[in-house]
Amino acid sequence: DGGITQSPKYLFRKEGQNVTLSCEQNLNHDAMYWYRQDPGQGLRLIYYSQIVNDFQKGDIAEGYSVSREKKESFPLTVTSAQKNPTAFYLCASSPRTGRNTQYFGPGTRLTVL
Amino acid sequence: DAKTTQPPSMDCAEGRAANLPCNHSTISGNEYVYWYRQIHSQGPQYIIHGLKNNETNEMASLIITEDRKSSTLILPHATLRDTAVYYCIVRVDDSGAGSYQLTFGKGTKLSVIP
Repeated sequence: DGGITQSPKYLFRKEGQNVTLSCEQNLNHDAMYWYRQDPGQGLRLIYYSQIVNDFQKGDIAEGYSVSREKKESFPLTVTSAQKNPTAFYLCASSPRTGRNTQYFGPGTRLTVL
Repeated sequence: DAKTTQPPSMDCAEGRAANLPCNHSTISGNEYVYWYRQIHSQGPQYIIHGLKNNETNEMASLIITEDRKSSTLILPHATLRDTAVYYCIVRVDDSGAGSYQLTFGKGTKLSVIP
């Protein structure tokens, strides 16, 4: 089946630890995105990548880092510099010229204790 | 992106058609209407989009009025699994300009009732 996978679904970390969230897609999409969703809120863009080895900051990139070494993978690292890391993190992908049609993964719910 | 207005909530009986309205009176000529939905604790799901002609796919139909100021998403035979928040988004075509962020407003919470 084609799609986007995120793992794990639930993640717990202690304050001050970095944590990396996985996102893999087999849709052959060029573009990938990371969003954050807080309870009752809309999605906010953290980072996006239009092509391998290239990525840009979204609206709330501070405290996060990404890499795009392979077309199918776009991991997100939540660093200790992120002040409020507890949230629902969503990864998405789209064709490069179809960025309004984004396909989302199931999400990772990160809780920092 | 043009502003959209949706009712906060709607109920629909299982097996009946669910008609979800969206007003976008300030839509411009090059803006498309997109529909997504988000089931609780899951990622948003793309449903359908259109410019001015009515569109249909395996999930839903999209009816856009002739003046393009409003649209209706139709789920022809709603099931309990269609219970979700439905978002109407208006955006320009993928010409390379503008933000990559999809802006989801408050949407319509559709409850399908047995």
